Amino acid sequence: AQKVTQAQTEISVVEKEDVTLDCVYETRDTTYYLFWYKQPPSGELVFLIRRNSFDEQNEISGRYSWNFQKSTSSFNFTITASQVVDSAVYFCALSEVQRGGSYIPTFGRGTSLIVHP
Amino acid sequence: DGGITQSPKYLFRKEGQNVTLSCEQNLNHDAMYWYRQDPGQGLRLIYYSQIVNDFQKGDIAEGYSVSREKKESFPLTVTSAQKNPTAFYLCASKTGVSNSPLHFGNGTRLTVT
Repeated sequence: AQKVTQAQTEISVVEKEDVTLDCVYETRDTTYYLFWYKQPPSGELVFLIRRNSFDEQNEISGRYSWNFQKSTSSFNFTITASQVVDSAVYFCALSEVQRGGSYIPTFGRGTSLIVHP
Repeated sequence: DGGITQSPKYLFRKEGQNVTLSCEQNLNHDAMYWYRQDPGQGLRLIYYSQIVNDFQKGDIAEGYSVSREKKESFPLTVTSAQKNPTAFYLCASKTGVSNSPLHFGNGTRLTVT
C-alpha cells in the first residue's frame, strides 16, 4: 500500500484559475514530517514547504497555501490565480523514522499541473 | 554557490555495461540519497547514506551499488544486473536534522539500449 497517495495524475487549468492538489498519507508514527516539492521541466525538485505532525497550522505564502488535517491524514496544496509558470509536477512526501533512527522521505507519484494561457 | 552537481545530464549505454553516475555536493550535508524516477511512478529510493563509509539499501536497490568514501560524493553504479535501467536518476542531500528538506541535483537521464 502506498504511504503517500496523490490521486490526481494530471490537472489542466486555465491561467487565473485556482487549483488544489491533493495528498493523503498513511503512518502509524506520532512524529512525522510532510513536504511538498515542485519539479519544473528542468528536472530538479525544489522544496516548497514542510509541516511537522504536531503543527496543524495552515500556511499561506503568496499564491500558495497548504491545508494540513491530521483527522483525514491529508496535506493539500492550493495555488490561487494560477500562472503558466506554475506548470510542473508536484510531489508530496512523508518522512517518518526508520530503523536506526533515520528519517527517510517517501514520495507520492506526483501530480502534473498544466496551466494554459 | 552551494549545491548538488550530477553529471552527466544525459548518458547512453549498451545493455550489459556497468555505468556510474556522479553526485557531488558542497553543502556540507551528512546524508545523501539516490532516487529513481519513472513516468507515473514518482520517486523511488535506491540507496541512502547517513554518514561517510556507511550506506543502506532503499526500496529498489537490486542491480545498483554505491560508495561513500567522501562526505561530498555519493556515486551510483548501475550494473548489468539491473533489468530496467533506463530512467531518470536524482541525487539528493540533507542535513542530519530530522525534519530538514532534501536538496536535489538536476538529475541524470540514463538510456540503455
